[in-house]
Amino acid sequence: DQQVKQNSPSLSVQEGRISILNCDYTNSMFDYFLWYKKYPAEGPTFLISISSIKDKNEDGRFTVFLNKSAKHLSLHIVPSQPGDSAVYFCAANGGTSYDKVIFGPGTSLSVIP
Amino acid sequence: DAMVIQNPRYQVTQFGKPVTLSCSQTLNHNVMYWYQQKSSQAPKLLFHYYDKDFNNEADTPDNFQSRRPNTSFCFLDIRSPGLGDAAMYLCATSRDRRSFYEQYFGPGTRLTVT
Repeated sequence: DQQVKQNSPSLSVQEGRISILNCDYTNSMFDYFLWYKKYPAEGPTFLISISSIKDKNEDGRFTVFLNKSAKHLSLHIVPSQPGDSAVYFCAANGGTSYDKVIFGPGTSLSVIP
Repeated sequence: DAMVIQNPRYQVTQFGKPVTLSCSQTLNHNVMYWYQQKSSQAPKLLFHYYDKDFNNEADTPDNFQSRRPNTSFCFLDIRSPGLGDAAMYLCATSRDRRSFYEQYFGPGTRLTVT
C-alpha cells in the first residue's frame, strides 16, 4: 500500500518558469517530510525538508509547502534552470516509521532551455 | 571527498545463483541502509544497521541477507535470486539514528537476473 504518492511521473517546464512538483500522503501520523533529488547514474541527494509544525520552508530557489488537512505537499522551484532536470522524490517520516523515511515513486522534471 | 561507494555498478547473475552486492562509506556514519528500487517505483527499505544492530523490515524476503563486518562496509546477499529481484539496489548512510532524514546515497547497483 503506497503511503507516499507522486501522481505525475514526469513534468516539463520552460527555463525561468516555476516548477511545481506535488506529493500526497495517506498516513496522518507522518510529521516530517523531505524532498530528494536524483541525477542519472547518481544516488538521491537530500534537498529540503519541512516539519508538520510549519506550512512553508524556503531554501533559495526551492520552497516546500505543506497542507496537513489535505495531506499534500508541494515543491516549488523558481526560477527553474536546466540543471534542475532530475528525478525528485518526496519522502515522509513519522508514526510507526519513526526512524526511517518512506519514499514516493518520484517525478522526473525536465527544464527546457 | 567523503562518499558512499557501491560495487559493482552493474551485476548480472543467473536465476538461483547467489550474489553479493557491496557498499562502503568514508563518512564514518553509524547507520547504513539497503533499498531496493524497481523501475518507476519508490525505493523500498530492505533493512538497516545502527552500528552492528541489524533491523529487518517485516516484508523483506528471507532470500535477502545482510552483513556489516565493520563501520565502513555493508553487504547485501541474495541467496537465490529470482527474476523478480532484478532491480536497482541503493545503499545509504546517515550520521546517527536521529539523522535518518538526511541520508547519503551511493550510485546504486543495477542487478539483472537471467
